[in-house]
Amino acid sequence: ETGVTQTPRHLVMGMTNKKSLKCEQHLGHNAMYWYKQSAKKPLELMFVYSLEERVENNSVPSRFSPECPNSSHLFLHLHTLQPEDSALYLCASSQGYEGYEQYFGPGTRLTVT
Amino acid sequence: KQEVTQIPAALSVPEGENLVLNCSFTDSAIYNLQWFRQDPGKGLTSLLLIQSSQREQTSGRLNASLDKSSGRSTLYIAASQPGDSATYLCAVRETSGSRLTFGEGTQLTVNP
Repeated sequence: ETGVTQTPRHLVMGMTNKKSLKCEQHLGHNAMYWYKQSAKKPLELMFVYSLEERVENNSVPSRFSPECPNSSHLFLHLHTLQPEDSALYLCASSQGYEGYEQYFGPGTRLTVT
Repeated sequence: KQEVTQIPAALSVPEGENLVLNCSFTDSAIYNLQWFRQDPGKGLTSLLLIQSSQREQTSGRLNASLDKSSGRSTLYIAASQPGDSATYLCAVRETSGSRLTFGEGTQLTVNP
């Protein structure tokens, strides 16, 4: 595997389910990001981790819970989601936290029913 | 608050045409600007990164320019091909931290 990978690529879940999105980067980077891309809206930054510590949390509802166990892996735990949470969730990584080019994964298409 | 606008929202051109995509931003205190390509349902591929001290960057048939004082960037695509069809996103990074603020993108269709 090379670059940034995300699993699953597609996920359908009910509002009472609990699921997790996984991101893995094979680039030796120290910072990882979660973005949300909804239809007809710009990408929104959700969370940023640098050296496994959360450095940004942009007013994201608590039903989204990130976890970064090491510099190569990032998870987004989901529970009691709403239909408006349906979107493409993108993971990215960069060499460092400030000013470095970000490399994106292919995304997870989430549908909440 | 930084806002990024991309015009046009959609563009359809015949193969072989040269074209320009526009990006404007409200706060000129940026660290750098990045152009991405996104294919339908896929992630983002970085095309060009321009530092705030630079005026332009080139990669193959792509040329991106930056005019920080006027809050504008353009992406020039020469001799367009059907494989260039995608959504092109512009994002600016503020002076501190790593926050990228994205535009809504320009959806490009190159017709054979």
